[in-house]
Amino acid sequence: EDQVTQSPEALRLQEGESSSLNCSYTVSGLRGLFWYRQDPGKGPEFLFTLYSAGEEKEKERLKATLTKKESFLHITAPKPEDSATYLCAAETGANNLFFGTGTRLTVIP
Amino acid sequence: NAGVMQNPRHLVRRRGQEARLRCSPMKGHSHVYWYRQLPEEGLKFMVYLQKENIIDESGMPKERFSAEFPKEGPSILRIQQVVRGDSAAYFCASSPAGAGLGAQHFGDGTRLSIL
Repeated sequence: EDQVTQSPEALRLQEGESSSLNCSYTVSGLRGLFWYRQDPGKGPEFLFTLYSAGEEKEKERLKATLTKKESFLHITAPKPEDSATYLCAAETGANNLFFGTGTRLTVIP
Repeated sequence: NAGVMQNPRHLVRRRGQEARLRCSPMKGHSHVYWYRQLPEEGLKFMVYLQKENIIDESGMPKERFSAEFPKEGPSILRIQQVVRGDSAAYFCASSPAGAGLGAQHFGDGTRLSIL
């Protein structure tokens, strides 16, 4: 059965304290691994897609990496405006997105 | 260029009533996806539609739920005879033809509450 597990469920960081969020996946025929940011009351906002193990993508303070079993979202020197829920999702051979439950990040000034 | 528009943003229904959720895709997008987010759970795929066609409804409950995307107008997710367990946030996403799931843009959802 396809499964996407994110950890931790919640993370509190001091401003400037770097950390990583984990996304472990077990899916048949992974076609892509997606990261989204979701603010309260809003829909998911696309951040990255990774397609193959070893691939990395960066955007401002965020960097996403992918292995054959998991993906990491590294946050370098976070700011309070980075506070949000971060979702990962696997595109399976069934051509739809299978989401994890997210990591709720709070960055304290 | 307006994003994906969903309405209403909040919808309250009593058990047994019908709920209609609307989604207007981004301009130029011909593919629509519906997802449901239950409390403390991840978004779950429900249905994928193109204009006048249901492409994949493997995530849709077999009873009470239906979706359409007519030639003109928004996509509609219809829930008949709602029950308490239908309380959730329902998100719509759209993408251009042939662009793949990475090109999906999400709306801000409809929060459905069942009394």
